Amino acid sequence: NAGVTQTPKFRVLKTGQSMTLLCAQDMNHEYMYWYRQDPGMGLRLIHYSVGEGTTAKGEVPDGYNVSRLKKQNFLLGLESAAPSQTSVYFCASANTGEETQYFGPGTRLLVL
Amino acid sequence: GQQLNQSPQSMFIQEGEDVSMNCTSSSIFNTWLWYKQDPGEGPVLLIALYKAGELTSNGRLTAQFGITRKDSFLNISASIPSDVGIYFCAGQRGNEKLTFGTGTRLTIIP
Repeated sequence: NAGVTQTPKFRVLKTGQSMTLLCAQDMNHEYMYWYRQDPGMGLRLIHYSVGEGTTAKGEVPDGYNVSRLKKQNFLLGLESAAPSQTSVYFCASANTGEETQYFGPGTRLLVL
Repeated sequence: GQQLNQSPQSMFIQEGEDVSMNCTSSSIFNTWLWYKQDPGEGPVLLIALYKAGELTSNGRLTAQFGITRKDSFLNISASIPSDVGIYFCAGQRGNEKLTFGTGTRLTIIP
């Protein structure tokens, strides 16, 4: 099992460009999450999904959209990137909302 | 949004020393988790605590769920070079989303 994988590992964008981050998990987990990690801030939840076809807002959803068309994939989109979105993005998955979350290796995004 | 207060923010210790860090909250949690993040990687779960007062070990790591349910502690005994990284606490109530601490960065001085 690969666990949780994220694509790409690193990306540089110009302000205003768009991109999609892909998260894939092969553990048949229902729950999937997108976090951002900034220095001194810990991990903050952007959006999450409790099952295929569902999404919900987390703590810092503005400027991001997500989709969960397939159970194993959770996509995070930036429609118009801003420098404030420079961060490291982590995806996680869990079997239920109360069980352990497994994290991917992260995507480092730099917005110039 | 709520964040957990984690201290210390960073630690510089010598190999072989013991390490202690803690996490406090103004809210009660039903679950406390401790994660470790290696450089360039995602967080990995070390220990999960589900009951107030619970003391759980994982090798050289020991974590405790505070009696008040508002805090948790992590100890690492006899540190080794591979202990380097950032340690995060996280609290959870039922199936609410995890709330993460700000992290403790551990550096081991040769």
